[in-house]
Amino acid sequence: TQLLEQSPQFLSIQEGENLTVYCNSSSVFSSLQWYRQEPGEGPVLLVTVVTGGEVKKLKRLTFQFGDARKDSSLHITAAQPGDTGLYLCAVSGGSGGSNYKLTFGKGTLLTVNP
Amino acid sequence: KAGVTQTPRYLIKTRGQQVTLSCSPISGHRSVSWYQQTPGQGLQFLFEYFSETQRNKGNFPGRFSGRQFSNSRSEMNVSTLELGDSALYLCASSSDNLKGEKLFFGSGTQLSVL
Repeated sequence: TQLLEQSPQFLSIQEGENLTVYCNSSSVFSSLQWYRQEPGEGPVLLVTVVTGGEVKKLKRLTFQFGDARKDSSLHITAAQPGDTGLYLCAVSGGSGGSNYKLTFGKGTLLTVNP
Repeated sequence: KAGVTQTPRYLIKTRGQQVTLSCSPISGHRSVSWYQQTPGQGLQFLFEYFSETQRNKGNFPGRFSGRQFSNSRSEMNVSTLELGDSALYLCASSSDNLKGEKLFFGSGTQLSVL
């Protein structure tokens, strides 16, 4: 059983559409990170959420951490081809916000078609 | 400043051989982590080095090993290669993982075992 379940696994949309991807677990986390990985590159950190119910915005991307700190969502408004990539959520194996031994979900592969 | 550099970018080996991958972290970063990425398992933590000491280790067999040099550069070695070792191997550096400092990933080494 995966610690982090991401859905959907694949998503193909047209430019300008909105979308939401999810990261769910039965465990409680002190913090959760979202990464984007473009083809041929390593993951790049987008955001870290730490407080239950927290909402963070990064331009057209909105991240939310569930009230119980067991799940998170990423909403993209008016998607663009440059948003194409693998979106990964991750949690730390340590405590206190450390980045020790990150556990990743399998990701959502997003394709935005022009 | 320069990012995390991994060499080589691509590698083809045959079963039974061994391989050494190299990672040069961002200047000033003392923590280097290694991850394996496969389509089936996603990103999985291999090990982490800090100031030349292995500080954390994931659930991989002893065929997977690593080391870190005094200049923080790191190498990982896989001996007696198996077909299932085919993967993208990613290196990430930070100033200190345990303090929650941001991870920066390299572009990875794509290893194919034939």
